[in-house]
Parts: sequence; C-alpha cells; structure tokens
Amino acid sequence: NAGVTQTPKFRVLKTGQSMTLLCAQDMNHEYMYWYRQDPGMGLRLIHYSVGEGTTAKGEVPDGYNVSRLKKQNFLLGLESAAPSQTSVYFCASSRLTENTEAFFGQGTRLTVV
Amino acid sequence: DQQVKQNSPSLSVQEGRISILNCDYTNSMFDYFLWYKKYPAEGPTFLISISSIKDKNEDGRFTVFLNKSAKHLSLHIVPSQPGDSAVYFCAASVSQAGTALIFGKGTTLSVSS
Repeated sequence: NAGVTQTPKFRVLKTGQSMTLLCAQDMNHEYMYWYRQDPGMGLRLIHYSVGEGTTAKGEVPDGYNVSRLKKQNFLLGLESAAPSQTSVYFCASSRLTENTEAFFGQGTRLTVV
Repeated sequence: DQQVKQNSPSLSVQEGRISILNCDYTNSMFDYFLWYKKYPAEGPTFLISISSIKDKNEDGRFTVFLNKSAKHLSLHIVPSQPGDSAVYFCAASVSQAGTALIFGKGTTLSVSS
C-alpha cells in the first residue's frame, strides 16, 4: 500500500522556470492538500481540493496553481519559479468523513536558484 | 494571523521523564485537533487526535488534553524515549466539508538518554 506518493523527491530550478509537482494517493480519499514547510514557519497550506475538479486557495496560494483532474492525483504547478519558493513541499490526503486525519507524502525538496 | 500557535520552538527532556508540548488556538470554530510527528527527511505522521466533545484522549504513552475555555491543548508523552526526538506539529480543523487542517509552527523535542 503506497499511500501518498510525491514526484519528484528533489528538484533544482532556475528562477523563471516552470515545473509541476505530482501527488498521487491510492486510498480513494476525497480531500487532497498541498503544504509547504519552511524553517520556523511550520506547515502552511497552499491549495487544497475537496473532490475531483474542485480546488480552493489556502494560506499562501500566490505563485502556485493546482489541478485535480482525477480523484487520485493532485498537481501543484509553479509557472515562474522564484527563490522565495525554495521549500519542502508536502502533499496530503484525507477521507471525506468528519474528524479524520490526513496522510502525508514524503515531501519534495525544491530549490530555486 | 496565526490561528494555531506553538510558542515553544524546542523542548529538551531526559529519557524516562514526561514531555509536555503545548498548543494554543484562536479560532473558536475549531473542533478537531491533531498532533503529528515529523522526522527529518520524512513526511509528518499522525500521532493522536481529540474531538472538542472530549477533554482527554489517551493512546499508550501519548495523551492529549483539551481545554476549550482556554483554547489550549497539550500533548503529554510518558515516559519519553530517545526515539521520540522529532518535530511535533499541532493541527486544528473545523469538522465540516470543505475545510483543511491548519498547522502550528512545530516544537522540536529532544530526548536525551
């Protein structure tokens, strides 16, 4: 049982380049989330999705776009990477039911130079 | 404005003693609270949770206490073990459709043998 899988695990981008981070879950969860973790800042919500075809902004959505074309996948896009987007990105998923925990992927370490 | 606050960035405890990690929240709509544990280079893993209808939840060495009037929760680890050394994140949510987990900045626990 793979759970939540993030691709890639590491990436170095030049300023202005674009890329897409892929998150896949095999637990048939309705909810999926993208967080970023920065030193001293904890986990901050970027965007999330409550179902296929729906997305919503979180705390720090600027500079990112997302898509949820399939229930099991949640894509995070950076159209024009900036050094401020250097971070560790975590994807998570959870069931629709109330009072349930979210399951996290292993993270993607992104460096923008 | 932080909705979930962990005011102690770090905590050092000796093996066998009690570790107490604290968390405060400001949003009175939060009714479900979770603790996550995170090791370096790994994703956060769920540890324990509590619903607002309870004031205590226990799972082995881990107990979470909730004081709704003070908007405060705490995680007690007894006895602490070196393997407990990690970053602990407090998270909160509103248990209705369409909401996401909001995390604190984390507390780094170091348990020395």
